[in-house]
Amino acid sequence: AQRVTQPEKLLSVFKGAPVELKCNYSYSGSPELFWYVQYSRQRLQLLLRHISRESIKGFTADLNKGETSFHLKKPFAQEEDSAMYYCALTGGFKTIFGAGTRLFVKA
Amino acid sequence: GAGVSQSPSNKVTEKGKDVELRCDPISGHTALYWYRQSLGQGLEFLIYFQGNSAPDKSGLPSDRFSAERTGGSVSTLTIQRTQQEDSAVYLCASSLAGFTDTQYFGPGTRLTVL
Repeated sequence: AQRVTQPEKLLSVFKGAPVELKCNYSYSGSPELFWYVQYSRQRLQLLLRHISRESIKGFTADLNKGETSFHLKKPFAQEEDSAMYYCALTGGFKTIFGAGTRLFVKA
Repeated sequence: GAGVSQSPSNKVTEKGKDVELRCDPISGHTALYWYRQSLGQGLEFLIYFQGNSAPDKSGLPSDRFSAERTGGSVSTLTIQRTQQEDSAVYLCASSLAGFTDTQYFGPGTRLTVL
């Protein structure tokens, strides 16, 4: 079955600390993987996608097919990174979202 | 340019009534998606349109839910005989061509069934 798992509902780190938001997926084919972010009182928006291999706002994510993971990382968290982060998988005619991780960056 | 818009922004209805939720995608976007977000839950995929066609309707929770898209633009999600468990935020998104493209989300419609 297609599934996206984000094991942490809440992640709290201090400003300047490294942050890693975990995402594991289950899919039988070759999925497209994304991270979406929702800042307070804003719409859900794309943060990055694995096929672009880009770094957005200092965030990167590497697709590990062996571990079926797509963890989101940033070496130095900033207060403005506080938001809800969703990992998503697209395959076939569906997009599956994880339950989300709320990141709170403390001053 | 204008983003994805949804109406109404809030809808309160009584159990058993029908509701219609509207989505206006970004102009030129051929793909349109509907999701449901229940309290404390992630986004649940409901349906995807490519043009006016929905290749897979299996994500709709029950036969009380239906969706259509006309003219390759506006889409309507209809819930018949609403139940309290239908209460959620319904999100619409659109993308330029298909699933590999970035999805742009609307602000959502908050549905409350009393």
